Amino acid sequence: QVQLVESGGGVVQPGRSLRLSCAASGFTFRNYGMHWVRQAPGKGLEWMAVIWHDGSNKYYADSVKGRFTMSRDNSKNTLYLQMNSLRAEDTAVYYCARDRGSWSTATDYWGQGTLVTVSS
Amino acid sequence: DIQMTQSPSSLSASIGDRVTITCRASQDISNSLAWFQQKPGKAPKSLIYSASSLQSAVPSKFSGSGSGTDFTLTISSLQPEDFATYYCQQYNSYPRTFGQGTKVEIK
Repeated sequence: QVQLVESGGGVVQPGRSLRLSCAASGFTFRNYGMHWVRQAPGKGLEWMAVIWHDGSNKYYADSVKGRFTMSRDNSKNTLYLQMNSLRAEDTAVYYCARDRGSWSTATDYWGQGTLVTVSS
Repeated sequence: DIQMTQSPSSLSASIGDRVTITCRASQDISNSLAWFQQKPGKAPKSLIYSASSLQSAVPSKFSGSGSGTDFTLTISSLQPEDFATYYCQQYNSYPRTFGQGTKVEIK
């Protein structure tokens, strides 16, 4: 069965960096686009970024463009989100989600999320 | 950016009720519309893609319709496990954007 497990969350000071990981199993990871979506406490869902199946294209929300970098290692079945220059407003649960296809369409499976708290 | 507006923001309904949630896009998104269900403390669950196609293992009491700018999610007969927050999302253009959510509560 498809499984996505995020890790790497925690408490970090403003301005610092953090890297999230999403370990995928139960499907051929290299064939699917992947997304990051976040949810601030008590708020709605915010799409962050997508990476195509082969890593050839990436798109970001304006709120994180230039600060966050999405990448993937298809040999390790793992997705990453490098978050730099973190701000208090980046505090959220971060979810990885699988795209239904190789590029960027609708998502189908989601991980359980990892909480990032940006606070001094 | 395409704005997605859901209505209502919340609703109260009884077991067995038919419930309809509306999602409106600020511009034409064809049928590039997905619906999600989220229960408190849990990850979102994908329900519908391409406006009206059910994700695998999603019960047929859920249905979606619409194209262009106006879309609906219908739950044919509300059950206790359906009380949750529902989100729409467009994937016609970047950035992908979500509606603000509709909370379905027990009357």
